[in-house]
Amino acid sequence: KNEVEQSPQNLTAQEGEFITINCSYSVGISALHWLQQHPGGGIVSLFMLSSGKKKHGRLIATINIQEKHSSLHITASHPRDSAVYICAVRGGATNKLIFGTGTLLAVQP
Amino acid sequence: GEEVAQTPKHLVRGEGQKAKLYCAPIKGHSYVFWYQQVLKNEFKFLISFQNENVFDETGMPKERFSAKCLPNSPCSLEIQATKLEDSAVYFCASSQLQDNEQFFGPGTRLTVL
Repeated sequence: KNEVEQSPQNLTAQEGEFITINCSYSVGISALHWLQQHPGGGIVSLFMLSSGKKKHGRLIATINIQEKHSSLHITASHPRDSAVYICAVRGGATNKLIFGTGTLLAVQP
Repeated sequence: GEEVAQTPKHLVRGEGQKAKLYCAPIKGHSYVFWYQQVLKNEFKFLISFQNENVFDETGMPKERFSAKCLPNSPCSLEIQATKLEDSAVYFCASSQLQDNEQFFGPGTRLTVL
């Protein structure tokens, strides 16, 4: 079993829909990252969370440390949101990232 | 610079040849991390540095892989005698402090034929 699990693995949505991607982890962490990887391959850091909730534009990320669970929400989804969304946790003494397997999101017009 | 820079963008090597990848962290960032992405979404941590010192090398294969971060030079990741299974995208990330956000470079796609 992976230390970081994401669901769903694939998600297709219509433009305008509200989207939720979930991440569960089994290790102790100091922070959790949500990353976005576009088809071209570049990785963009969306959020770094250690508690509570963060919002940036149409993106919202929440974390529940007790339940070892985080969610990424996209409101009013748009085709340009189509990408792979990756949850990564930072833990251990040296803060290396442990990655989930990603969620491939396709938003159709 | 303001972004993590990685060179080359693409690298093709025959099996058994050497491959050397470079990473310039964001100016002022003390920590550098190397990650390997195989099969689209499988990321593996390789090694991290605090300035020129190895910080965590628990992910580095013991054979064939080596890495350095020397003062006033880009960091490097070298693979001696590449194997087919080394084909992957290698990402470098940097952070200002150990527990800060990590910023990723564009990656180097290594193809071993």
